[in-house]
Amino acid sequence: KAGVTQTPRYLIKTRGQQVTLSCSPISGHRSVSWYQQTPGQGLQFLFEYFSETQRNKGNFPGRFSGRQFSNSRSEMNVSTLELGDSALYLCASGASGSYYNEQFFGPGTRLTVL
Amino acid sequence: GENVEQHPSTLSVQEGDSAVIKCTYSDSASNYFPWYKQELGKRPQLIIDIRSNVGEKKDQRIAVTLNKTAKHFSLHITETQPEDSAVYFCAASNQGAQKLVFGQGTRLTINP
Repeated sequence: KAGVTQTPRYLIKTRGQQVTLSCSPISGHRSVSWYQQTPGQGLQFLFEYFSETQRNKGNFPGRFSGRQFSNSRSEMNVSTLELGDSALYLCASGASGSYYNEQFFGPGTRLTVL
Repeated sequence: GENVEQHPSTLSVQEGDSAVIKCTYSDSASNYFPWYKQELGKRPQLIIDIRSNVGEKKDQRIAVTLNKTAKHFSLHITETQPEDSAVYFCAASNQGAQKLVFGQGTRLTINP
């Protein structure tokens, strides 16, 4: 089975721009979560989608949004980029059927905001 | 909301010795406690997890203990090997595996 994939792997943007990141979960997985990883704040939960619905949300401003498609692929969007948005964005997928199913992480998208 | 504190931030041990990493959590409703290992430049990978109805779980050289009363849980690695060198993250959640709150991470170095 192919693992979680994320595109693009690297991205450079300037302040004020917007960006869209993509995540393809493991085949058959219906839950996709997004996390932001920075040296200062560590790993922080952004949101989680299941069957095209946002099921959980972290404490990030409204500039961060996401969606999930019928094939379980997910995108996250960050509008009006700020320097502090520079981070590694990780998505994780989990199988349905159990509350405790392991979250498998993708390789991440490294976003640099100049 | 949930808060997870992890100690120490760095840990250096001799090959063959044991390593212990500790985490405390704030939300008494937390019911799931995974540990992830992240090697340099790679994605986090689950190494062991424990649910709130269990006090201890072991998988070969790795074990996790949970004290719900004190709201803390620990990772124990025995007979450490050079390939154990990595950053380890603990996490807690009151919603199973679906919304993880992570600790700040521990950089473990195994000295040969």
